[in-house]
Amino acid sequence: EPEVTQTPSHQVTQMGQEVILRCVPISNHLYFYWYRQILGQKVEFLVSFYNNEISEKSEIFDDQFSVERPDGSNFTLKIRSTKLEDSAMYFCASSGRGFTGELFFGEGSRLTVL
Amino acid sequence: RKEVEQDPGPFNVPEGATVAFNCTYSNSASQSFFWYRQDCRKEPKLLMSVYSSGNEDGRFTAQLNRASQYISLLIRDSKLSDSATYLCVVIMDSSYKLIFGSGTRLLVRP
Repeated sequence: EPEVTQTPSHQVTQMGQEVILRCVPISNHLYFYWYRQILGQKVEFLVSFYNNEISEKSEIFDDQFSVERPDGSNFTLKIRSTKLEDSAMYFCASSGRGFTGELFFGEGSRLTVL
Repeated sequence: RKEVEQDPGPFNVPEGATVAFNCTYSNSASQSFFWYRQDCRKEPKLLMSVYSSGNEDGRFTAQLNRASQYISLLIRDSKLSDSATYLCVVIMDSSYKLIFGSGTRLLVRP
């Protein structure tokens, strides 16, 4: 069964460092997302990406964040200068042609900022 | 006011029990509604969509009340494997962004 894969599963970094989280969405999907979940809190929307551009982004997704789909298969989230409060589980998700509201999530990348 | 509100629980019920979760949403422009399930430290997965007329999928029944901006999920004959956090999800009109509630935790005991 096709699935969304994310790497790394866990990354520990120092405050101020750049981090890149990688995702391979399901191959024929068209809508791509990053969500995050701080431990014990709700799943929060960061950004959606469609037709090679950002379609929506939240207030959390400030200038420190960026997304790329560099090669037609990978979908990356970059955090330029990490803060302690960026520590969270980051979920990549994708959705197919004819948006139905069903998002397929990866298993997540846990980011710990020290 | 939160966009999507849920009772955090936990709901602790015996196997075989019937349990109901409620969810309210604040924005009347909300267009589509879903229940997702999230197991501990795992990713969310779609459980079911919620239609205006109400819908059923096996032991699960979802209902929508647009006038009251209220969504419910009923689980009949609870199984141990139903233990999880149930996330109420809303999509606004003209958007592809899913807005998640904080979730209601269910514990089904033997």
